[in-house]
Amino acid sequence: SAVISQKPSRDICQRGTSLTIQCQVDSQVTMMFWYRQQPGQSLTLIATANQGSEATYESGFVIDKFPISRPNLTFSTLTVSNMSPEDSSIYLCSVGMGSPNEQFFGPGTRLTVL
Amino acid sequence: GENVGLHLPTLSVQEGDNSIINCAYSNSASDYFIWYKQESGKGPQFIIDIRSNMDKRQGQRVTVLLNKTVKHLSLQIAATQPGDSAVYFCAEKRDSWGKLQFGAGTQVVVTP
Repeated sequence: SAVISQKPSRDICQRGTSLTIQCQVDSQVTMMFWYRQQPGQSLTLIATANQGSEATYESGFVIDKFPISRPNLTFSTLTVSNMSPEDSSIYLCSVGMGSPNEQFFGPGTRLTVL
Repeated sequence: GENVGLHLPTLSVQEGDNSIINCAYSNSASDYFIWYKQESGKGPQFIIDIRSNMDKRQGQRVTVLLNKTVKHLSLQIAATQPGDSAVYFCAEKRDSWGKLQFGAGTQVVVTP
């Protein structure tokens, strides 16, 4: 398994601003993923972030809204840009390890947009 | 698109009884499944996984059953405890990169 931390753990933001969420892993991993979990709902994959390449976004998510960085094998950031109340969610990063890519999740960042 | 769904949104279980959480999947080509537990205010916690070449896998107090014929997955929790109260998600591996498709989730409430 892996120890995954996220910063901030929660935030309350104003409409139109942006927030960058950090994800740190205690070991080097190839695959990192970002998910969104809207209130009372399941997890939806936003994008896959591999070190050294552009993030791959799922249908309904675009880079301008959710830019992602992956500068090395232990760190990634997700930015939620030009926020609206509809962006209020829990944002989770996860890492894939081993075969067949067991995934482990961070504690999440709870975002509220006013 | 392909879906991974759950039959029951809420499951109320008496402490000490066994819990069974069900999950249906639609992609017959899926080869790997995971069950997660998510407690309030926390990220999903890996519980147990199973590959498609297996029918059953056991962990500590948990058993996952896979029925490929009817594309059904279940999680059994033995002697349910108050600490088992959480939302449980099944997830299906979508591709070789490891992307996961999550089911809707089942809220398990353990009553004394």
